[in-house]
Amino acid sequence: SQQGEEDPQALSIQEGENATMNCSYKTSINNLQWYRQNSGRGLVHLILIRSNEREKHSGRLRVTLDTSKKSSSLLITASRAADTASYFCATDLTGGGNKLTFGTGTQLKVEL
Amino acid sequence: NAGVMQNPRHLVRRRGQEARLRCSPMKGHSHVYWYRQLPEEGLKFMVYLQKENIIDESGMPKERFSAEFPKEGPSILRIQQVVRGDSAAYFCASSPAGTGGEKLFFGSGTQLSVL
Repeated sequence: SQQGEEDPQALSIQEGENATMNCSYKTSINNLQWYRQNSGRGLVHLILIRSNEREKHSGRLRVTLDTSKKSSSLLITASRAADTASYFCATDLTGGGNKLTFGTGTQLKVEL
Repeated sequence: NAGVMQNPRHLVRRRGQEARLRCSPMKGHSHVYWYRQLPEEGLKFMVYLQKENIIDESGMPKERFSAEFPKEGPSILRIQQVVRGDSAAYFCASSPAGTGGEKLFFGSGTQLSVL
C-alpha cells in the first residue's frame, strides 16, 4: 500500500502566491522528508523534519508535521516560476533502515 | 565535488536483451539505493546496498533483476531478458552512513526504453 499520499495531485498558481501541499502516511516514522523533481531530472532534497519536531523553516519553505494525524504539509511562500516542479514527500519508517518510501507527488505549476 | 553519477542517461533495449545501469555514489558515500519511477508516479524502492553487501532487496522483482555494489567500482543494476514493462526511469541515490535520518542524494537517472 502507498505509504505517502500527496494532495493535491496537481496545483496551478500565479507567481507571488503561496503553494501548500499535503502528505499523509500510514505508519510510524523516524522522519519525513520533502524532495523536488524537475521534469526528467533526479530528486533534490528540500527539507527533513524529525518525528519529534512540529515545524521547520528553510528560506521560503515551511514544513509542518502532525504525527497524531500522520500528516505533513509543505508551504512555499511567494512562489516563482522556477518553483514549477513535482514535489514528493518521503517517509523514513521506524525500523526501515534509512530506506525512504515516496508518495505519489504533487505537480506544481507557477505561472507568470 | 561530483554528485551521484548515473550512466547511461538513456538506454534502449529490445525485448529479451540485458540492461546494465551504473551508479557511482558521491565521494565518501558507502550506501546506495535504487528506485524505479514509472511515468506520472512516485519512486518505488528496489534495493539498498552497502559496499559488497545487499542490505534490503525487498523491492526487487524476484526474477531477472539483480544488483551489486563491489568493493571497487560503481553499483550495477542488471535486468536480464527485459520486457516492455521494465521501461521506466531508474534512479540511484547515495548516503554517507545509512544510520537512518539521513537525506539521500540522487543521480539524474537512467531512462530505460524497451522496444
